[in-house]
Amino acid sequence: DGGITQSPKYLFRKEGQNVTLSCEQNLNHDAMYWYRQDPGQGLRLIYYSQIVNDFQKGDIAEGYSVSREKKESFPLTVTSAQKNPTAFYLCASQTTSSGSYNEQFFGPGTRLTVL
Amino acid sequence: AQSVTQLDSHVSVSEGTPVLLRCNYSSSYSPSLFWYVQHPNKGLQLLLKYTSAATLVKGINGFEAEFKKSETSFHLTKPSAHMSDAAEYFCVVSEWGGGNKLTFGTGTQLKVEL
Repeated sequence: DGGITQSPKYLFRKEGQNVTLSCEQNLNHDAMYWYRQDPGQGLRLIYYSQIVNDFQKGDIAEGYSVSREKKESFPLTVTSAQKNPTAFYLCASQTTSSGSYNEQFFGPGTRLTVL
Repeated sequence: AQSVTQLDSHVSVSEGTPVLLRCNYSSSYSPSLFWYVQHPNKGLQLLLKYTSAATLVKGINGFEAEFKKSETSFHLTKPSAHMSDAAEYFCVVSEWGGGNKLTFGTGTQLKVEL
């Protein structure tokens, strides 16, 4: 069953802790993305990667880090430097063939709450 | 630079009546346009996409959208709302280059009443 999995579904963090959100895809997509969703603000891009071992900052990268060691995996670390990390985090993937007409496929999301 | 504006943050309809969710876009080049739906605490699911092949695009669950270049609009419609349509809907624009980045609207919450 092809798709994108994110874990955990819910995550609680104490202030000052780093946490890592998992994202795995078996769609054989080259590109992967991390978004943050806050109420009334739509989705904002944190980081993206178009190929293994390469990634770029999105619009709100401060306080986050990523790695792309395998095509299937794109974990996101929320560091203690992120001042307001409570949000819903969505991972997506996309094939890079055929230009810009390709949709992104989304995982089910991880809800992070800072206690 | 690309942008998208969803003109209504909340829309309420009665079951069985038509749905109209409005979206205007701005793009320097020929854009790709998408509508996604999100149910509470879930990921986003693609409803339909515009790829320049046809201006009237049909999607899943009876939704369709019409690309109007002169009006820079891509409104989402459905002839008859169902209770299961209650969700948040996002209009999205993409331009080739720059990593195939998507720009999302702020969303429209659709409420369907009996």
